[in-house]
Amino acid sequence: DTEVTQTPKHLVMGMTNKKSLKCEQHMGHRAMYWYKQKAKKPPELMFVYSYEKLSINESVPSRFSPECPNSSLLNLHLHALQPEDSALYLCASSLLGRTDTQYFGPGTRLTVL
Amino acid sequence: AQKITQTQPGMFVQEKEAVTLDCTYDTSDPSYGLFWYKQPSSGEMIFLIYQGSYDQQNATEGRYSLNFQKARKSANLVISASQLGDSAMYFCAMTQGGSEKLVFGKGTKLTVNP
Repeated sequence: DTEVTQTPKHLVMGMTNKKSLKCEQHMGHRAMYWYKQKAKKPPELMFVYSYEKLSINESVPSRFSPECPNSSLLNLHLHALQPEDSALYLCASSLLGRTDTQYFGPGTRLTVL
Repeated sequence: AQKITQTQPGMFVQEKEAVTLDCTYDTSDPSYGLFWYKQPSSGEMIFLIYQGSYDQQNATEGRYSLNFQKARKSANLVISASQLGDSAMYFCAMTQGGSEKLVFGKGTKLTVNP
């Protein structure tokens, strides 16, 4: 089973709202990732957690705050977003990181009004 | 830094025919991994196939095969016997060295015609 789940599927929020995206995997993977994908563009890496510790932050604005409460769960907290933050947010996981295959969830389509 | 190039923005193929999607890469690290993903219009990124830089043989997974030419730094995806459900965006991606960072090419949109 290579399933990564993400909730919600769709999210519409105002610029003053606080919301969270959730990602879960039960494959025993120890690396988890957040990507942002704008329309007609490839995904861009935002954050990597390895063994529940933040290992990569690709200079993402502080209005995006990741959290890894345990090895199966990854959250992305959103606050004071801008309309240009509207995108598909993809979560992925891999066994141990590095060159291991990353398996992606279905994504959350975020619209910021 | 590693770089992935996909030069075909769009490709068309007839159902049941084979199609090759091009991918070239650039890295100075001798250890790297190459991946192909399929992204239907629904948005989910589906893993198709993997090739490691030290793998001697080309990877195959069902109807997917990876034509790995290390000296030319190319990793083309071959889809045999195309099906209508193969219509999607296809991304080539790579990791290098000990980094977890997966870098994607710009993608190729494949359309399978009946």
